[in-house]
Amino acid sequence: KQEVTQIPAALSVPEGENLVLNCSFTDSAIYNLQWFRQDPGKGLTSLLLIQSSQREQTSGRLNASLDKSSGRSTLYIAASQPGDSATYLCAVMGGSYIPTFGRGTSLIVHP
Amino acid sequence: EAGVAQSPRYKIIEKRQSVAFWCNPISGHATLYWYQQILGQGPKLLIQFQNNGVVDDSQLPKDRFSAERLKGVDSTLKIQPAKLEDSAVYLCASSSHLQGANEKLFFGSGTQLSVL
Repeated sequence: KQEVTQIPAALSVPEGENLVLNCSFTDSAIYNLQWFRQDPGKGLTSLLLIQSSQREQTSGRLNASLDKSSGRSTLYIAASQPGDSATYLCAVMGGSYIPTFGRGTSLIVHP
Repeated sequence: EAGVAQSPRYKIIEKRQSVAFWCNPISGHATLYWYQQILGQGPKLLIQFQNNGVVDDSQLPKDRFSAERLKGVDSTLKIQPAKLEDSAVYLCASSSHLQGANEKLFFGSGTQLSVL
């Protein structure tokens, strides 16, 4: 059974810092890994999707990397802003085509 | 392009009552998911449909939860009778196909259920 772990559970940083969120998974037989953002009381918004054959994806200030063999992904946020405050979740799509989520990292960026 | 629509947005009921949630996925999306998200946790899959067929419902508490997607488009999730531990946000998601390494999930805003 796939298990997904996200570290840290919570993070508070001053505006402008570069930061890294971590996601690890136990079964490396995956099709893709997706990073989401969730604002309080809202649904999830897809940020980046990395296919199993890819090493990284970039969108604006976001960069996600994937090391399938070690079961790890990182989400790098450059020059953080208060508007980046949200919960960030990763989801792994495995062989059963069931997306499995981690518990998320709650991020606060203070001015 | 319209997103995933869910209703109601909020629902408060007493334990042992019944409740139903509705979801309309993005037009043309064959795969539909229902997730339960308890406060402070990640979403947990309840059921997955491909068109109007069930792909996986192994984590659906079938003694009280039921779901259907009769015409392969919109879907309803029902809880009867509700328990206190069912208090959570119920999220609906869709993707264009079940299989595919490049298939993104699109989520609705969710229904926040409080069972008193």
